[in-house]
Amino acid sequence: GAVVSQHPSWVICKSGTSVKIECRSLDFQATTMFWYRQFPKQSLMLMATSNEGSKATYEQGVEKDKFLINHASLTLSTLTVTSAHPEDSSFYICSAKGQGNEKLFFGSGTQLSVL
Amino acid sequence: DAKTTQPTSMDCAEGRAANLPCNHSTISGNEYVYWYRQIHSQGPQYIIHGLKNNETNEMASLIITEDRKSSTLILPHATLRDTAVYYCIAHSGNTPLVFGKGTRLSVIA
Repeated sequence: GAVVSQHPSWVICKSGTSVKIECRSLDFQATTMFWYRQFPKQSLMLMATSNEGSKATYEQGVEKDKFLINHASLTLSTLTVTSAHPEDSSFYICSAKGQGNEKLFFGSGTQLSVL
Repeated sequence: DAKTTQPTSMDCAEGRAANLPCNHSTISGNEYVYWYRQIHSQGPQYIIHGLKNNETNEMASLIITEDRKSSTLILPHATLRDTAVYYCIAHSGNTPLVFGKGTRLSVIA
């Protein structure tokens, strides 16, 4: 099946620093990628939708200036958490869908811990 | 996406079939029923999906009622590695998947 690679798997950073998370579709072209966030014992919550070559669409309550999303190519999307704070500590998961594909494939997730 | 309802948790003995129900009484005609699972600290894994016919693959079987208002995911021989949260989602188009709370399946030795 299709593979979505997410990197890094985990990251620990100091409060106030920025963290970049990469999401790559390895064997298909992802016209659309989605970013989710998951807090402990909760379900996945959609943060934003990114389409290749255009600006991301953010869900209500998600700050676009804090969570910068770039989808510059059909195989790569990045999420940058700017000026991270402890409350941004969470499990971030990307997913990708190829054109004409009914299935959505997920990365392995990134556990972010902000000290 | 239509709302789905799943039991909060279920137990299953190792080696037995695990039958996970899902209610989607307001599903629309073009929405598929998708099943994903999430093992602790990993991204969701696709299991199976269907529109109205029953489906089977190497992981599971999906039984959809004739009126499409409910479905059952069947893991024929559950193993300890099947312990996970299972999500049933009614979905169509290129919009993102919306996850509910899912069913926490515990496979017991």
